[in-house]
Amino acid sequence: GENVEQHPSTLSVQEGDSAVIKCTYSDSASNYFPWYKQELGKGPQLIIDIRSNVGEKKDQRIAVTLNKTAKHFSLHITETQPEDSAVYFCAASRNTGRRALTFGSGTRLQVQP
Amino acid sequence: DAGVTQSPTHLIKTRGQQVTLRCSPKSGHDTVSWYQQALGQGPQFIFQYYEEEERQRGNFPDRFSGHQFPNYSSELNVNALLLGDSALYLCASTTNGQGLRTEAFFGQGTRLTVV
Repeated sequence: GENVEQHPSTLSVQEGDSAVIKCTYSDSASNYFPWYKQELGKGPQLIIDIRSNVGEKKDQRIAVTLNKTAKHFSLHITETQPEDSAVYFCAASRNTGRRALTFGSGTRLQVQP
Repeated sequence: DAGVTQSPTHLIKTRGQQVTLRCSPKSGHDTVSWYQQALGQGPQFIFQYYEEEERQRGNFPDRFSGHQFPNYSSELNVNALLLGDSALYLCASTTNGQGLRTEAFFGQGTRLTVV
């Protein structure tokens, strides 16, 4: 089955700096890669996703890149703000949200004001 | 739009008991998946229901069972509870409709504590 590894497990940045979280996956058939943000006491919230026919996608301060050959994808957050502090999860699936998502172990991002 | 709603939000059960958790999908969604999230871990897929049938299943014992109703809502049942079943149980909904957005949206979860 699919295996998703996520690094780092914790990340502390100063407000205004950039943050990068990296994930690798094992199943070459995976073609959908969402990122979720989870705040304390809440369920995961989808923040951005990318499909395998696209190498990069951007939404305001958030961007995701995908390297299918190397089987890794990354989340980039620019101009970080204290409200970006949360746990971020990457995931992989064979067919968008219709199929089971395999999640990474999470990255706790702390943005220092 | 109410989004994905789960009930109850918190639950305490005794080892060996049975529990039922409930989920109402986001409006317009017909597919419901359940995940288990242990403390400090990523969610793990339990199973998915579509058209009132279990379509996919993760690596969970058959103590974990589910049901989907005609209105697309779903229940997760866990029998013979173990201490290790203590976790946040998340419900996610999506649609199988062609040409529609198929992202998975999560509820806020049910925190189950087994004592």
